[in-house]
Parts: sequence; structure tokens; C-alpha cells
Amino acid sequence: DADVTQTPRNRITKTGKRIMLECSQTKGHDRMYWYRQDPGLGLRLIYYSFDVKDINKGEISDGYSVSRQAQAKFSLSLESAIPNQTALYFCATSEAGGNQPQHFGDGTRLSIL
Amino acid sequence: GDSVTQMEGPVTLSEEAFLTINCTYTATGYPSLFWYVQYPGEGLQLLLKATKADDKGSNKGFEATYRKETTSFHLEKGSVQVSDSAVYFCALSDLYSGAGSYQLTFGKGTKLSVIP
Repeated sequence: DADVTQTPRNRITKTGKRIMLECSQTKGHDRMYWYRQDPGLGLRLIYYSFDVKDINKGEISDGYSVSRQAQAKFSLSLESAIPNQTALYFCATSEAGGNQPQHFGDGTRLSIL
Repeated sequence: GDSVTQMEGPVTLSEEAFLTINCTYTATGYPSLFWYVQYPGEGLQLLLKATKADDKGSNKGFEATYRKETTSFHLEKGSVQVSDSAVYFCALSDLYSGAGSYQLTFGKGTKLSVIP
């Protein structure tokens, strides 16, 4: 089983709909992250959480919200989806500390029509 | 703020060719440096890392040396295989002043295609 699991893997929806992307991990890491990947732009950080009570905005948080339901679960919501939120979304986890690498899920491909 | 610049792709090489993907960075602190690889349909995987100047990270035949004087972390492999076809991301982790936290800053990625 994957250490970082994202659901769904693919989603097509319409403008204005509320969408929730879910992430769960079995690595026991305290830190979790949400990124979006767009062609030619690399990965950009949306939100991150260092523990259940610590949630922080990243570079591009507008239009998104998150919930850290437990140490192992971190969900990303689009309250009212718009077409320019069409992208590949990744969840990642890491141990605490500055040199720790991040471990990524396989991504959710989201298309908003 | 911090930034990572890597060579634009796509890069197409024949099997057994030598690979270099350039990566330079700007950082306010003393960052750790990483290379991640993304195979088609998958998430990013850590390929190698270096945490201080002159450190060499290596894995699966890939190498990169942390060069503080040139602020670079170029990825190299002596003989690429078809299975190395993927997108490669250079990244840094730095302590953001005022935030008290380390975050990853990624380059835009370089797509490598290796042909038989």
C-alpha cells in the first residue's frame, strides 16, 4: 500500500461546484502539504500543516481551504471551483526539521469545466 | 525570496549518453538542496539531496554537488537508460525569515526523454 494516498485520482466537475480532495498517510509524519502542479510552472504550495492545530497558507491559498482531521489526514477543498483551478494536485508529508525530504502521493488530476 | 532556476526542456538523449541538467538557486539562508524525479502518472520521488557546501548527493547513478560559490546543484548521470525518462525537479529547503519554518521551493522541472 502507498504511504501517501490521495483520493480521488481523477475528477471532472463543473464550475461553481464544491470539491474535496483527500489525503491520508501511514508514515507517521507530523507535517503535511498540498501543492498544485501546472505545466511549465512546477509545483506551488497551497497550504501546509505542521500538526493538527497548526495550519498555514502557502504561496497560492486563495480559493482553497484545508482541514487537518487527524495526524494522518489532510483534505483540500475548493469551495466554488473555477476553470483556472484545473491542475494536478499533490499531497506530501515530511518529518519535522529543515533537511527532511517530502514524500508525495500520486496526485489528483482535477478538471473543471 | 528564494528561487530555483533549472534548464528548460524537453531534453532528448540517446541511451548511454551523458546527462547534465543545470540548476541554480538564490536563497536568503543556507539551504538544503534536492533533486526529485516524477515518472509518468506518479508523484514526485526524492532522487538525492545535499545539505551543505561541497556535499555530493548520489543515487541510481545520478550525482549532484552542492556548489555554494556558484549557487548551483547540477544533476549528472554518466549513461542514461530509457527507464530514466521522467521529469526532474530541483528544489531547495530554507528557513523563511519570520515564519520559523522550512518549505520547499521547486524549479519548473525538466522533462527528459531517452530513446533507444
